[in-house]
Amino acid sequence: AQKVTQAQTEISVVEKEDVTLDCVYETRDTTYYLFWYKQPPSGELVFLIRRNSFDEQNEISGRYSWNFQKSTSSFNFTITASQVVDSAVYFCALRGTGANNLFFGTGTRLTVIP
Amino acid sequence: EAQVTQNPRYLITVTGKKLTVTCSQNMNHEYMSWYRQDPGLGLRQIYYSMNVEVTDKGDVPEGYKVSRKEKRNFPLILESPSPNQTSLYFCASWPERAGGADEQFFGPGTRLTVL
Repeated sequence: AQKVTQAQTEISVVEKEDVTLDCVYETRDTTYYLFWYKQPPSGELVFLIRRNSFDEQNEISGRYSWNFQKSTSSFNFTITASQVVDSAVYFCALRGTGANNLFFGTGTRLTVIP
Repeated sequence: EAQVTQNPRYLITVTGKKLTVTCSQNMNHEYMSWYRQDPGLGLRQIYYSMNVEVTDKGDVPEGYKVSRKEKRNFPLILESPSPNQTSLYFCASWPERAGGADEQFFGPGTRLTVL
């Protein structure tokens, strides 16, 4: 069975603080894919990153970075020097090989206070 | 512009009145899917389609129907809506490539309220 857990329901930080959003997953597949999506207040889903299970390299894109650790089944997302525009709900998702479904976590609502 | 479109974006209806939410993609993707988003539950898949005339149930298919008569369109049909189908609905599409690594492209969402 596939499962994604985002234990942090809501997080508030003050602008310019760093914040890490946790994602823990469960899967029996040996090959799988992990995703992060952002849902701003306007409601659309914005793709942020995809990582496959064979690539444990951390990734950095501007103020965003992702830490993938297979040993702990985690794929955490860090925003450095947060900004008000980062306020959104962030979803972590998992997809197994050949699967036709994305399994989403319940999301973490991030509020950045100016 | 590559996109997934949904209509309507907002809909308020009454119990039992049949409705259809349309979804269209212009990327020639083989796969399409419908999700519903509910507070505290994330997004859950309702139905998906692998190509024209090929559809299958997702995790929460009860009360919904779909059809895929053309590659670009994947309408979601609620034959007899009930209040527990009040939700935010997303359509998604993605290409068929080996390994299933591709991201899913999402439409803008349809907020449905059933009174």
